[in-house]
Amino acid sequence: EPEVTQTPSHQVTQMGQEVILRCVPISNHLYFYWYRQILGQKVEFLVSFYNNEISEKSEIFDDQFSVERPDGSNFTLKIRSTKLEDSAMYFCASSDSRAGELFFGEGSRLTVL
Amino acid sequence: LAKTTQPISMDSYEGQEVNITCSHNNIATNDYITWYQQFPSQGPRFIIQGYKTKVTNEVASLFIPADRKSSTLSLPRVSLSDTAVYYCLVGDRLQGGYNKLIFGAGTRLAVHP
Repeated sequence: EPEVTQTPSHQVTQMGQEVILRCVPISNHLYFYWYRQILGQKVEFLVSFYNNEISEKSEIFDDQFSVERPDGSNFTLKIRSTKLEDSAMYFCASSDSRAGELFFGEGSRLTVL
Repeated sequence: LAKTTQPISMDSYEGQEVNITCSHNNIATNDYITWYQQFPSQGPRFIIQGYKTKVTNEVASLFIPADRKSSTLSLPRVSLSDTAVYYCLVGDRLQGGYNKLIFGAGTRLAVHP
């Protein structure tokens, strides 16, 4: 069964450092998303991406965050200068249509020290 | 997006049927009802989606009354591996609002031997 893959599974970084989280969506999917989940809290929407541009973003997704689809297969989330409160599990998801079911990856756990 | 209310937690035993009810009093005409499942340290996984009446797949059934102000996810004969958090989401599928999933706190189901 096709799946969304994410790397790294766990990253530890120092506050202020840049982090890039990588995702390989399901190959024929066109819509891509990032969500995050702080430990013990809700899954929160960050951003959706279609046709090489952001289609929607939440208030969490400020100027420190950016997304990119650099090569037609990877979908990345960059955090420019990490803060302690960025520590969370980050989930990438993809869907084959605007109203399609979202397929989530296993997540990348980010720990900011 | 319609707000949803579901029980914080439920307990069950192996082999029993579990019914999780979600209230969505402000559901709009174009809204669909979708349920996701999340295991610890994993991304959410789509279970089932419906608009009205009853939908059944190999995993679960979804019952939606005529007024659509609530819905019930039914898991037949649960096993220990069904221990997870179950999320009820309501969104406008036809106009693209669906792709931004808004997760609530979900229902934490614990299945006991």
